[in-house]
Amino acid sequence: DQQVKQNSPSLSVQEGRISILNCDYTNSMFDYFLWYKKYPAEGPTFLISISSIKDKNEDGRFTVFLNKSAKHLSLHIVPSQPGDSAVYFCAAPGSSNTGKLIFGQGTTLQVKP
Amino acid sequence: GAGVSQSPSNKVTEKGKDVELRCDPISGHTALYWYRQSLGQGLEFLIYFQGNSAPDKSGLPSDRFSAERTGGSVSTLTIQRTQQEDSAVYLCASSFLGGDTDTQYFGPGTRLTVL
Repeated sequence: DQQVKQNSPSLSVQEGRISILNCDYTNSMFDYFLWYKKYPAEGPTFLISISSIKDKNEDGRFTVFLNKSAKHLSLHIVPSQPGDSAVYFCAAPGSSNTGKLIFGQGTTLQVKP
Repeated sequence: GAGVSQSPSNKVTEKGKDVELRCDPISGHTALYWYRQSLGQGLEFLIYFQGNSAPDKSGLPSDRFSAERTGGSVSTLTIQRTQQEDSAVYLCASSFLGGDTDTQYFGPGTRLTVL
């Protein structure tokens, strides 16, 4: 069963506009969420996280929103830049002890100049 | 400082052969993870090390898969009698202590192709 789901495989936006990447989860026990960004031929790099005690976390151009009742989170990038073009993964720790991550399938973002 | 490194970057093998994939974590990181990403899929957890022990092996798909870690540092993932469905990118990550809020740093991965 897919506990973390990213239902949009791809997203294309114009430079300067907002990018919104969505993620849904099924396990209400998840209490921490992360977004990773991945360029081709590189490993994923940590981008931003949010604890379930918050509904928003902002870091520069990146903001993550959490809606616990809907089991939904989203990553907003504004303004989008061509260098943001990458695959974005949503993840949640499947164990608080080990920290092993459960990942969504990823969304490929293309930001057009 | 150096990040997580993995070798080889690419490996092509024939079905039935054994392969070894290596991971060098960030120095001082006690936690080490192996994941794999099959085509079009997200990352799938395989195994977690804390020091040289593997308290969570729940993601290993079959007994053909094994891993070890020595000296609290380098880890090797071994796949015996490889099958075509083993083709994937194998990613290693390390973190300072482990745990759910400890950032994991990933290596570039090893792309395994089983012919």
